Amino acid sequence: EDQVTQSPEALRLQEGESSSLNCSYTVSGLRGLFWYRQDPGKGPEFLFTLYSAGEEKEKERLKATLTKKESFLHITAPKPEDSATYLCAVPTRGNTPLVFGKGTRLSVIA
Amino acid sequence: NAGVMQNPRHLVRRRGQEARLRCSPMKGHSHVYWYRQLPEEGLKFMVYLQKENIIDESGMPKERFSAEFPKEGPSILRIQQVVRGDSAAYFCASGKGGSGSNEQFFGPGTRLTVL
Repeated sequence: EDQVTQSPEALRLQEGESSSLNCSYTVSGLRGLFWYRQDPGKGPEFLFTLYSAGEEKEKERLKATLTKKESFLHITAPKPEDSATYLCAVPTRGNTPLVFGKGTRLSVIA
Repeated sequence: NAGVMQNPRHLVRRRGQEARLRCSPMKGHSHVYWYRQLPEEGLKFMVYLQKENIIDESGMPKERFSAEFPKEGPSILRIQQVVRGDSAAYFCASGKGGSGSNEQFFGPGTRLTVL
């Protein structure tokens, strides 16, 4: 069965303290790995798609990387506005449904 | 605003009533996905539709739940005879479909409360 596991469940950082979030997956024939950000009471906001091992993508203070078994979301010098739940997901087959991890709740303290 | 639209944003129903949730996909998207998020749980897939077709409903309970995406108008997720356990946030996502493009973009969700 396809699975996505995220760690840690929660992470508390001081403003400016860089760290990484992990997403490990087991899926046959990866067709992309997706990162989303979700704020309380809102829908997931698309951040990145990674398709192949070694690929990296960046957006502001965030950088996502992908290996054959896991992905990392690196947060450099975070700010309080980066506080959110970060979700990782993989499609099970083709264009069909995403399997989500339970997310990492990030809190950045000023 | 070309984003995914959902309405209502909040819906309160009493046990036994029907709930109808609507989703308009992003312009140019013909694939719609419904997900449910229970408190303290992750997003779970329910159903995947294209215009006038249900492609995959493997995540949707067989009783009381149905979905459609008509040729004209929004996609609708219908829950009949709601129970307290149906209380959750329901999210719709849309995508272009086709090979090499499987990104999904989410709407703001409908928060269903069953009294």
